[in-house]
Amino acid sequence: SYELTQPPSVSVSPGQTARITCSGDALPKQYAYWYQQKPGQAPVLVIYKDSERPSGIPERFSGSSSGTTVTLTISGVQAEDEADYYCQSADSSGTYLVFGGGTKLTVL
Amino acid sequence: QVQLQESGPGLVKPSETLSLTCTVSGGSISSYYWSWIRQPPGKGLEWIGYIYYSGSTNYNPSLKSRVTISVDTSKNQFSLKLSSVTAADTAVYYCAGGEGFTLWGQGTLVTVSS
Repeated sequence: SYELTQPPSVSVSPGQTARITCSGDALPKQYAYWYQQKPGQAPVLVIYKDSERPSGIPERFSGSSSGTTVTLTISGVQAEDEADYYCQSADSSGTYLVFGGGTKLTVL
Repeated sequence: QVQLQESGPGLVKPSETLSLTCTVSGGSISSYYWSWIRQPPGKGLEWIGYIYYSGSTNYNPSLKSRVTISVDTSKNQFSLKLSSVTAADTAVYYCAGGEGFTLWGQGTLVTVSS
């Protein structure tokens, strides 16, 4: 079955830039989406179609794609950005959806 | 604004069928694909499957033999049935929809236990 691979954890100091990667063979063909999830809450979409930002999401959140890897970048990290982040995409046929294993972002 | 709300039993016995319903309010279900997603305690998100308002479906291959998702457009609802549940099916179950998943319910914890 198709898998998306994320690092389990990323740590940054406030004001620094956090980069979270997501790798998968079908990412050159399929869009990626990124979700932020805080404890006890439902996920929130922060990036769609690789690099588009929904309304209401701060500009410090951005997304990029290069080959089989997509990256969520959070510039000027704030304490409130501490959360779990999940990438999501589809297999090469676009039939089945899949989530990455999630990355815990810690703001030191 | 469109809101989603899950409803259903919070406790299901092993080997029985888990049944949940998601009610879409503030908008029509006749837009988007609508999904069920689950998250076991302390673990990541797992896509279960989706349905379009026309009734076409797609399921996670790992769950396909046990999952049925249906839609009732007259009630603006879609539903999940997961059969032959075990403790491994204990999770928070979310309904979601939109381009990507822009819309999420609050989630409902379903525990499988005798």
